[in-house]
Amino acid sequence: ETGVTQSPTHLIKTRGQQVTLRCSSQSGHNTVSWYQQALGQGPQFIFQYYREEENGRGNFPPRFSGLQFPNYSSELNVNALELDDSALYLCASSPRGGGDYGYTFGSGTRLTVV
Amino acid sequence: RKEVEQDPGPFNVPEGATVAFNCTYSNSASQSFFWYRQDCRKEPKLLMSVYSSGNEDGRFTAQLNRASQYISLLIRDSKLSDSATYLCVVSGYNQGGKLIFGQGTELSVKP
Repeated sequence: ETGVTQSPTHLIKTRGQQVTLRCSSQSGHNTVSWYQQALGQGPQFIFQYYREEENGRGNFPPRFSGLQFPNYSSELNVNALELDDSALYLCASSPRGGGDYGYTFGSGTRLTVV
Repeated sequence: RKEVEQDPGPFNVPEGATVAFNCTYSNSASQSFFWYRQDCRKEPKLLMSVYSSGNEDGRFTAQLNRASQYISLLIRDSKLSDSATYLCVVSGYNQGGKLIFGQGTELSVKP
C-alpha cells in the first residue's frame, strides 16, 4: 500500500508566476485536503476535495484553486504568486469524507517565491 | 482568537523528564481531537487520537475535557527521539471535516 506522494519536493518561482503542485492520495482514500504551512506556524487548511468536488475551503483567495481526478489524485494551482506564498504545501488524504478517521500526509512541496 | 491555541514553546527538558502540553479550542461543536508530531519541517504524523475517557499509548497519555474545551498530552520518561514539534488538532463535520491545527509546541530533549 503506497502512501501519499507529492511532487515536486522543492520549487522556486518568481513573484507573479503560476505554480501547480501534485498529490497522489493513499490507496483507498477518496478525500484529499491541501494545507499551507508557513515557517513557525501550524498548517492552515486551503481546501478539500471529496469525489472530485470541492467540499470545504479555508480563508484563501480565489487564486488558490484545485482539482481532484477520478483516481482521487489532486492538484493545487496558485496564480499570481506572492512572496507570502512561500511555504510548505502539504497534501493529506483520508479514507472517507474527512472527519475523525485521521489523515495521512504527504511529505510536502516546499515552495519559495522570490 | 485562534481556533486552536497551544502553549508557546520551546520546551527544553532533560532525558527522563515528564513534560505536559496543553491546548484549548474555541469551537464547542468540534468532534475529533488529535495530537500530531512533526519532525524538522517534515510532514505531520498522527501521534494519537484523543478521547473524553482519556487514552494512553506507552509513555504518552492524552486527555480531553469537553466542558473546558481543553486537550492535553503528557510524555513520561522523555527520550532524545521525542524531540519534535507537537501539534494539537481538532476537527468536526460542522467544520467541513478539515483539520484545524494549533501553532505547535517545540520539544527539545537534551542528554
